[in-house]
Amino acid sequence: SQELEQSPQSLIVQEGKNLTINCTSSKTLYGLYWYKQKYGEGLIFLMMLQKGGEEKSHEKITAKLDEKKQQSSLHITASQPSHAGIYLCGADRRNAGNMLTFGGGTRLMVKP
Amino acid sequence: SQTIHQWPATLVQPVGSPLSLECTVEGTSNPNLYWYRQAAGRGLQLLFYSVGIGQISSEVPQNLSASRPQDRQFILSSKKLLLSDSSFYLCAWSKVTGGYGYTFGSGTRLTVV
Repeated sequence: SQELEQSPQSLIVQEGKNLTINCTSSKTLYGLYWYKQKYGEGLIFLMMLQKGGEEKSHEKITAKLDEKKQQSSLHITASQPSHAGIYLCGADRRNAGNMLTFGGGTRLMVKP
Repeated sequence: SQTIHQWPATLVQPVGSPLSLECTVEGTSNPNLYWYRQAAGRGLQLLFYSVGIGQISSEVPQNLSASRPQDRQFILSSKKLLLSDSSFYLCAWSKVTGGYGYTFGSGTRLTVV
């Protein structure tokens, strides 16, 4: 079964609007990673969260990890067309090989 | 600095033909290496991972296989491609100690016709 659930699956917003993407785990997250992907390209690392209550920001993107370390949110302020793409969260499975389990992704479109 | 190279970027192959996708990492040693598959711009499915030369673990039974002939080289192969193998394949590496996430290659778009 899917260990990470992302919502929404897709999102269309008007340029300038704020938006939030959620990533929920059924298990405690040891490390939560956010990536962005443009269609047909590799994944670009955005941010990593490890501590309960942690919050990180980069330009207009803010990611948070809740105190229980089972849910993370990615918030984009004043969205721009350059923010369009697929956003994926990945969780550290803390096992041999240090594998990451990924959510199903959120496809974001920003209408100019 | 570390870099990861994946090729080819796109590939069109007939059903039943063999496959070989290559991934190499530079600037680090003894990395963990991974092959993922992504269908229709959705989530990633882990296919294989390797913690060392010749050490391959398979996550999902496939028509595919992987090999690691050198420390920083990871190869995804198939003897006979199926239509269902059409997908976007991504290679990635991470530090052995973990906790740093992955760095991904640019991906290979495989279309089996």
